[in-house]
Amino acid sequence: EAQVTQNPRYLITVTGKKLTVTCSQNMNHEYMSWYRQDPGLGLRQIYYSMNVEVTDKGDVPEGYKVSRKEKRNFPLILESPSPNQTSLYFCASSLTGYYGYTFGSGTRLTVV
Amino acid sequence: QKEVEQDPGPLSVPEGAIVSLNCTYSNSAFQYFMWYRQYSRKGPELLMYTYSSGNKEDGRFTAQVDKSSKYISLFIRDSQPSDSATYLCAMKAGAGKSTFGDGTTLTVKP
Repeated sequence: EAQVTQNPRYLITVTGKKLTVTCSQNMNHEYMSWYRQDPGLGLRQIYYSMNVEVTDKGDVPEGYKVSRKEKRNFPLILESPSPNQTSLYFCASSLTGYYGYTFGSGTRLTVV
Repeated sequence: QKEVEQDPGPLSVPEGAIVSLNCTYSNSAFQYFMWYRQYSRKGPELLMYTYSSGNKEDGRFTAQVDKSSKYISLFIRDSQPSDSATYLCAMKAGAGKSTFGDGTTLTVKP
């Protein structure tokens, strides 16, 4: 089944403890992206990647890191999480970046 | 002011009604327009994808884009309770960044 897989689905962590949210797609898509979704603010793009080793900032990149060493994987790294990064996170992929996205099921992160 | 403004809703309609969901935008560079449906506790799901102005139909769904007015719409005919979800419009100028509306929550009552 063609899909975007995120892990974990739920995560509660403490301020300052580094964490990684994994994202993998099995559709050979070139384009991958991370979003956060917050009430009243909608979906906001954090980072995106047009291909392996090519990444760029979205609207809200502060406090996040990404890497794209393989085409299928695009992990999101929070080096020192803070409570304002509590949110629902989505990974998405697209064949080339021009078309619509396939989204993962989401990761609900709580930073206390 | 946001680049993309979406009718906030919520919207509640009886089963079988025609539903109109709307977004306006300010960036004239947007050329690619999408509608997503998001069920509770799920990721958004692509419903419709349109390039430039015009209409596109897929079953009970019709997407309209009017670039001269910077206005896009999604029409749902013969709405069903299973259409109850949050609908998100999204737009982009090219490959790369997409800008989303905040979403409109639709409830279709049997």
